[in-house]
Amino acid sequence: DAGVIQSPRHEVTEMGQEVTLRCKPISGHNSLFWYRQTMMRGLELLIYFNNNVPIDDSGMPEDRFSAKMPNASFSTLKIQPSEPRDSAVYFCASRGSGGAVVTQYFGPGTRLLVL
Amino acid sequence: GENVEQHPSTLSVQEGDSAVIKCTYSDSASNYFPWYKQELGKGPQLIIDIRSNVGEKKDQRIAVTLNKTAKHFSLHITETQPEDSAVYFCAARKAAGNKLTFGGGTRVLVKP
Repeated sequence: DAGVIQSPRHEVTEMGQEVTLRCKPISGHNSLFWYRQTMMRGLELLIYFNNNVPIDDSGMPEDRFSAKMPNASFSTLKIQPSEPRDSAVYFCASRGSGGAVVTQYFGPGTRLLVL
Repeated sequence: GENVEQHPSTLSVQEGDSAVIKCTYSDSASNYFPWYKQELGKGPQLIIDIRSNVGEKKDQRIAVTLNKTAKHFSLHITETQPEDSAVYFCAARKAAGNKLTFGGGTRVLVKP
């Protein structure tokens, strides 16, 4: 298995621009998580989905952030408009279900820099 | 909600020595405790986990202990090697399907 796939790996954009981050979870996994990591705040959960349905979006910073999961194999995290304080590494993670399969696997991350 | 505290925030050890990282959690209903290792420029990777029905688990040089009564769990790395240098995160979760709550991370440096 290729693991969790994220794209792009690096993104540099200017303040005010729209940014879209993409994630392909591990095949067969039914939970998907979006995290943000910064030096100051550590690893923060932004939102997570079970069976493509958003379950908890309490970590989404503000209305400029939105996430979708149109099907079991794809999710996006969008920031519109982007601001310099959004600069961070964004991770996607996925997890299977049932029995003892509770391991959560992270993708390689997208490093976002907003100028 | 759950709160996970992790100590120390940084840890420097000499190669060959042991490293110990400790975490405490607040929700007694938590029953799953994974540890992740994050190397520079990469995503966190699961290295070991423990469920609440077990007090200790080992995998080669890595071991995790859990004290449910005191609500704390620890990661032990023996015979440390330079490649063990990374940031380590502990986490806790209640029932399957709920989210993980992460500790703040420990930056481990193994000096050759």
